[in-house]
Amino acid sequence: QQQVKQSPQSLIVQKGGISIINCAYENTAFDYFPWYQQFPGKGPALLIAIRPDVSEKKEGRFTISFNKSAKQFSLHIMDSQPGDSATYFCAASKETSGSRLTFGEGTQLTVNP
Amino acid sequence: SQTIHQWPATLVQPVGSPLSLECTVEGTSNPNLYWYRQAAGRGLQLLFYSVGIGQISSEVPQNLSASRPQDRQFILSSKKLLLSDSGFYLCAWGGVEGNTFGSGTRLTVV
Repeated sequence: QQQVKQSPQSLIVQKGGISIINCAYENTAFDYFPWYQQFPGKGPALLIAIRPDVSEKKEGRFTISFNKSAKQFSLHIMDSQPGDSATYFCAASKETSGSRLTFGEGTQLTVNP
Repeated sequence: SQTIHQWPATLVQPVGSPLSLECTVEGTSNPNLYWYRQAAGRGLQLLFYSVGIGQISSEVPQNLSASRPQDRQFILSSKKLLLSDSGFYLCAWGGVEGNTFGSGTRLTVV
C-alpha cells in the first residue's frame, strides 16, 4: 500500500516557538501534497498545499518545505500560538487518482501559553 | 461555492442495530465522494469512495456498505452494528485542491 509516514506523533511547543512536522512518501508519482488541520470534534480543513515544481510555499505563519529527491516534505508553523493547537495531517495524491488522498497518521500539536 | 452537509452530528446506537449516515454536496456536479473513519486519537481510514452514481469502491472489508443513489448524495450503512464500528465518520468530496470534509458524525455503539 502506498504510504505517507508522518512524525512526530505528538508535539509540544511554547508560544512563539516554531512547530515542525515531517512527512515522507514512497510513491514518486505523487504530485500534490496538502496539509490539513483538525480541531477536536471537527472535520479536517485544508491548511496549505504544495506541488513538486516548487521547493517551498508560504502562507502567513505556515510554510511547506518540499524535498523531491529525498521524498520528504514538512510543515513549519512560525510564531506558534495556542490557537494552533490541533491535529495536523499531511497527505499526498497523484493526478491519475483524481482527488484520492493518502494521509499520514497525524500529529497532535499542543502550543503552551 | 461548494458545501458539504453531513448528519447527524452524534449518534448512539445499540449493537446489532442498523445504521444510515447521509452526506450531500452542494455547488458541484459529479464530485468524487469519500467516507472516512477516524478512531480516537488516530488517523483517517478511507472506507469507501465513489466517482459517480452507483459506483462504489471499498477500501477495507468490514461491516459497512456505501451507496450513491444520486449525484451529490452519499450514504454509509450497516445492517448490524458492532462495537468496533464506533468512531468519527467523515464524508468528503474531492476537488482539484484535495478533499473538503464535512463536520463528521460521532458514532458510539453501545
